[in-house]
Amino acid sequence: QVQLQESGPGLVKPSETLSLTCAVSGYSISSGYYWGWIRQPPGKGLEWIGSIYHSGSTYYNPSLKSRVTISVDTSKNQFSLKLSSVTAADTAVYYCARALSSQGYDYWGQGTLVTVSS
Amino acid sequence: QSVLTQPPSVSAAPGQKVTISCSGSSSNIGNNYVSWYQQLPGTAPKLLIYENNKRPSGIPDRFSGSKSGTSATLGITGLQTGDEADYYCGTWDSSLSAGGVFGGGTKLTVL
Repeated sequence: QVQLQESGPGLVKPSETLSLTCAVSGYSISSGYYWGWIRQPPGKGLEWIGSIYHSGSTYYNPSLKSRVTISVDTSKNQFSLKLSSVTAADTAVYYCARALSSQGYDYWGQGTLVTVSS
Repeated sequence: QSVLTQPPSVSAAPGQKVTISCSGSSSNIGNNYVSWYQQLPGTAPKLLIYENNKRPSGIPDRFSGSKSGTSATLGITGLQTGDEADYYCGTWDSSLSAGGVFGGGTKLTVL
């Protein structure tokens, strides 16, 4: 069974960098698929952040592209998200997920709430 | 403002059928696959439909998806109280601002 688990600080100060890691078990990232990050502000809808292939090729949301970096570590079977210069608008539940097909994410982590506040 | 447009809410009685629409453009739905998700309160989204009309293993055939032109539709038959949730459509947008996009979500109430 494929499982994903997000980890990282739950509180980040404004202007700092948000860093999250998604540990994958039950499937080797090196075997394929795209792996993505999606977020959901409290009480609002889903927003796609970006995705990465095991080779390292990435796609980012154009509205976040200048602040986002997604990387993969196949030796640890995990991938990571960095979002710089955060503001309160970046407060959200952050999910990592596997893309079965184009934008069809079949396995999701439980999500982690990240609050941006001083 | 979401790139994909969904009705904010729909409702129907148990046992009935409901459809949820997702409207886009030629740069997204018109030329890319559509996925549908169900999100129960406090949980991660769950994939119901991918590649317009395919169901992942374990998803009952009460859930169906279709696409026509620049719109897509999720259908749910034999409504159950457990179907009460938020539903999202998603696809890829191939415009100059390429990337994944989601609809704003539709709250399904089973009366």
